[in-house]
Amino acid sequence: ETGVTQSPTHLIKTRGQQVTLRCSSQSGHNTVSWYQQALGQGPQFIFQYYREEENGRGNFPPRFSGLQFPNYSSELNVNALELDDSALYLCASSLEAGGLQYFGPGTRLTVL
Amino acid sequence: QKEVEQNSGPLSVPEGAIASLNCTYSDRGSQSFFWYRQYSGKSPELIMFIYSNGDKEDGRFTAQLNKASQYVSLLIRDSQPSDSATYLCAPEIPGNRDDKIIFGKGTRLHILP
Repeated sequence: ETGVTQSPTHLIKTRGQQVTLRCSSQSGHNTVSWYQQALGQGPQFIFQYYREEENGRGNFPPRFSGLQFPNYSSELNVNALELDDSALYLCASSLEAGGLQYFGPGTRLTVL
Repeated sequence: QKEVEQNSGPLSVPEGAIASLNCTYSDRGSQSFFWYRQYSGKSPELIMFIYSNGDKEDGRFTAQLNKASQYVSLLIRDSQPSDSATYLCAPEIPGNRDDKIIFGKGTRLHILP
């Protein structure tokens, strides 16, 4: 167990809806990174939050947005869901940006 | 150009043999390299990291790094059926203020009993 938790475990949405995924970082970690992992692919970097500010973003459209709270937990929001958004969403926490990352169990999102 | 290249496999290795997993990366500025193991349906688990050229050993695992060749590898000695998983290579990509870790697609390893 890494001490990183994510909720919910599974989620089913329909195209066009909005979704919020949550992540609690490991105690003492101030950085959270979010990844999208499609079946058979490696995790794709969405963005990173460091001390409540976005600290880097991958090649994802603006309908993917996030937030980090003072306790360093984080949310990933996806608007206008598309079928291709179906994936495992992973968050990883680290002591500092660029440090060792420890993953949560992930949220499996299915868009119908 | 792909940033991280791994052979997708599957790589089949007899139990007790050495499994060798390879990875090349494109960013010459990368200084830190991570190997993650991912079982089917589970999240990635950090198993090794290496910062310096040469070998780093941890139990049955050895990571090897050659920055001049932009090559990093993972050796698993005395392979066990429980080692059957996908192994993800993940170099750190430096930025002005946003160092980030980029993952390869992973190599599926199958240990044959």
